[in-house]
Amino acid sequence: DTGVSQDPRHKITKRGQNVTFRCDPISEHNRLYWYRQTLGQGPEFLTYFQNEAQLEKSRLLSDRFSAERPKGSFSTLEIQRTEQGDSAMYLCASSYHGTNTEAFFGQGTRLTVV
Amino acid sequence: LAKTTQPISMDSYEGQEVNITCSHNNIATNDYITWYQQFPSQGPRFIIQGYKTKVTNEVASLFIPADRKSSTLSLPRVSLSDTAVYYCLVVTETGTASKLTFGTGTRLQVTL
Repeated sequence: DTGVSQDPRHKITKRGQNVTFRCDPISEHNRLYWYRQTLGQGPEFLTYFQNEAQLEKSRLLSDRFSAERPKGSFSTLEIQRTEQGDSAMYLCASSYHGTNTEAFFGQGTRLTVV
Repeated sequence: LAKTTQPISMDSYEGQEVNITCSHNNIATNDYITWYQQFPSQGPRFIIQGYKTKVTNEVASLFIPADRKSSTLSLPRVSLSDTAVYYCLVVTETGTASKLTFGTGTRLQVTL
């Protein structure tokens, strides 16, 4: 297994455009998380799936943000009508359900909104 | 969620032992202490996790006193490649939900 994979690694988009990021977790992991990280800050939790169920989405930053995990495998994070403030690193992590098992992070997608 | 406090930055010379202390005064009975390491332009990487006393692995040691209100990550004989941001987290497993709450971390700079 090659770990958590995120695509693309970098994305530059114009303000107002929609963007979609993909995350492929470690294959046997049933939990998947999305985080956002801005410069100088720690990662900020956005949303979380267990299998295909989105168990928490209250921390998504606005209704422009949405995430899916249709078959309990890969996940997508979409940002509609991007704004300059959306520029950040978007990180995906996965883990296996169990008491305090470690989360494995991907290398992230760096979004720049111009 | 228990809040953590750790130094913003630390400097060390190569070959020295580095101890990073984290305070978590409001830690709950079911909480674990977890440390992650992050290099620039990469996602965080799990280092070590503990509940009480001492935990050691091939990378680091974690010391947790009896009251669990603080913890210390110990990195033996650091090298230049240990330059990174280190995050202390308190992890709570409630039902089926578990998420990591990161602070701003400790930026460790190792020099020759």
